[in-house]
Amino acid sequence: GQSLEQPSEVTAVEGAIVQINCTYQTSGFYGLSWYQQHDGGAPTFLSYNALDGLEETGRFSSFLSRSDSYGYLLLQELQMKDSASYFCARGGDDKIIFGKGTRLHILP
Amino acid sequence: DGGITQSPKYLFRKEGQNVTLSCEQNLNHDAMYWYRQDPGQGLRLIYYSQIVNDFQKGDIAEGYSVSREKKESFPLTVTSAQKNPTAFYLCASSLARGSNEQFFGPGTRLTVL
Repeated sequence: GQSLEQPSEVTAVEGAIVQINCTYQTSGFYGLSWYQQHDGGAPTFLSYNALDGLEETGRFSSFLSRSDSYGYLLLQELQMKDSASYFCARGGDDKIIFGKGTRLHILP
Repeated sequence: DGGITQSPKYLFRKEGQNVTLSCEQNLNHDAMYWYRQDPGQGLRLIYYSQIVNDFQKGDIAEGYSVSREKKESFPLTVTSAQKNPTAFYLCASSLARGSNEQFFGPGTRLTVL
């Protein structure tokens, strides 16, 4: 299969750090992407990991471990504007497959 | 400004009517995609196209049809055969097939009454 699993909801406090996990099935796996979607808006691309390790882009980092079929998105110094849904997605030959998304709630 | 446009933002139709959602991009991208999103759900692929005059069914193509007569345009028709058409529809494009970075339009929220 080619499905992905991620938690449906995560809650964190403003200013803190939060990690959103994603596990995937290995069949035909190319790499792992992350997208952010605010309510009523369009998804926007955050990052892509093709190789094992950590990719950092400002307050956001993404990690991949191919041997564990696992990745995560790390958000640091959380701001209220980070309240959104976050989707992991796996790359393929001609399309990508999205997880069902993790709704991030941020408490003041 | 380069980007993807979808119109209209909100669309209402009576049950039994076909409706066509527009998607236009000026990014010179080869690949285009249509997704459906239901409340609290992820993105489910309806159709995708890698090149002009060619397209493939996604995971939930039944009740939908598309065309790709121009590189810039990829309209989606929701037919009366689609049993539960009320949803948020998102169009996306990418530079090439399989590209991991997709660019999304603002979406069309279709409500069938």
